[in-house]
Amino acid sequence: QVQLVESGGGVVQPGGSLRLSCAASGFIFSTYGMHWVRQAPGKGLEWVAFIRYDGSNKYYADSVKGRFTISRDNSKNTLYLQMNSLRAEDTAVYYCAKAYSGYAVPFDYWGQGTLVTVSS
Amino acid sequence: SYELTQPPSVSVSPGQTASITCSGDKLGDKYACWYQQKPGQSPVVVIYQDTKRPSGIPERFSGSNSGNTATLTISGTQAMDEADYYCQAWDGSTVVFGGGTKLTVL
Repeated sequence: QVQLVESGGGVVQPGGSLRLSCAASGFIFSTYGMHWVRQAPGKGLEWVAFIRYDGSNKYYADSVKGRFTISRDNSKNTLYLQMNSLRAEDTAVYYCAKAYSGYAVPFDYWGQGTLVTVSS
Repeated sequence: SYELTQPPSVSVSPGQTASITCSGDKLGDKYACWYQQKPGQSPVVVIYQDTKRPSGIPERFSGSNSGNTATLTISGTQAMDEADYYCQAWDGSTVVFGGGTKLTVL
């Protein structure tokens, strides 16, 4: 069955960096687009970034553009999110999600999330 | 940037029909999806491509999308349907979520 397992969350100071990972299994990772989505405590869902199946195209929310970088290693079935210049407002649970066959949306599988806290 | 607007809350009695709307400029020209999220859990897609229901999602969930409004309809609402619901669309370069609607079954 499809599994997405995020890791790498934790507490970081403002201005710091963190790299999240998402280990995928149960499907042919190299043939699906992947997303990062976040949810601040008590708030709604916010899309963060999308990468196409082969890494050829990447898309970002305006709120993270220039600070975050999405990437993937298809040989390791792993998705990444490099987060730099972190701000308090980046505090959230970060989910990785698999895109439905051949499309950017919907997200048919989600991980359990990893919590990132930006605080001094 | 593209925006999707949902009512913050909707209430429904058990067994009745709940309708949750999602508004956006020319939303009917895009595909709309809907997610259900229960407390402490990851979201689950309940409707995609406006009207399609993934396997395992009960038939009481249905969707429509026309003009500027997409609608999620839950017929014969059950207590287990109480959750937050989010609409979503892809505008060609970004994914947009609505602000979410808390469905209360009382």
